[in-house]
Amino acid sequence: NAGVTQTPKFRVLKTGQSMTLLCAQDMNHEYMYWYRQDPGMGLRLIHYSVGEGTTAKGEVPDGYNVSRLKKQNFLLGLESAAPSQTSVYFCASRMDRVHGYTFGSGTRLTVV
Amino acid sequence: GENVEQHPSTLSVQEGDSAVIKCTYSDSASNYFPWYKQELGKRPQLIIDIRSNVGEKKDQRIAVTLNKTAKHFSLHITETQPEDSAVYFCAASKGNDMRFGAGTRLTVKP
Repeated sequence: NAGVTQTPKFRVLKTGQSMTLLCAQDMNHEYMYWYRQDPGMGLRLIHYSVGEGTTAKGEVPDGYNVSRLKKQNFLLGLESAAPSQTSVYFCASRMDRVHGYTFGSGTRLTVV
Repeated sequence: GENVEQHPSTLSVQEGDSAVIKCTYSDSASNYFPWYKQELGKRPQLIIDIRSNVGEKKDQRIAVTLNKTAKHFSLHITETQPEDSAVYFCAASKGNDMRFGAGTRLTVKP
């Protein structure tokens, strides 16, 4: 039982490049989330999904896109990377609205 | 949207002392309040949570209290140990998403 798995764990991008971060969960959770974590700012919600085929914007969605084609997978795309997107990205999932998150191990992204 | 404020940003205590971290939230409709512990370089881990129909919850050395009227909730750690050193995040959830406080870095000195 792997829980929530994120790939890749580390990545360095040049400004303007694109990439996709993959999140996979094996707990049959309906709800999935993408957060970014920056020093002193806690965790900020980028996008989330309440079920297969659904997505919604969070606090800081600009410059990112997401897709939830399968219930177990939630993809985060960066269309044209910028240095301001240098951050640690965490994926999370949960069973329903009154349960806590299970987090993935994070992706450290550096945009140069 | 929901706004969560957390204090203090850093907290240093002696081993064996108690530690208290406080959070306030803005949306009275929030109904679920978890606390996460994040060790350096690791993922956040859920340590305790409370729902809006409960005023207090305890799990061994940690406890959480909720005051819905004042819209604040607190984490209490008793008999602190060096392994309690980490960053602690509070969060408030209403509906589909969850908003986090900025975190408290707790240091427990041996």
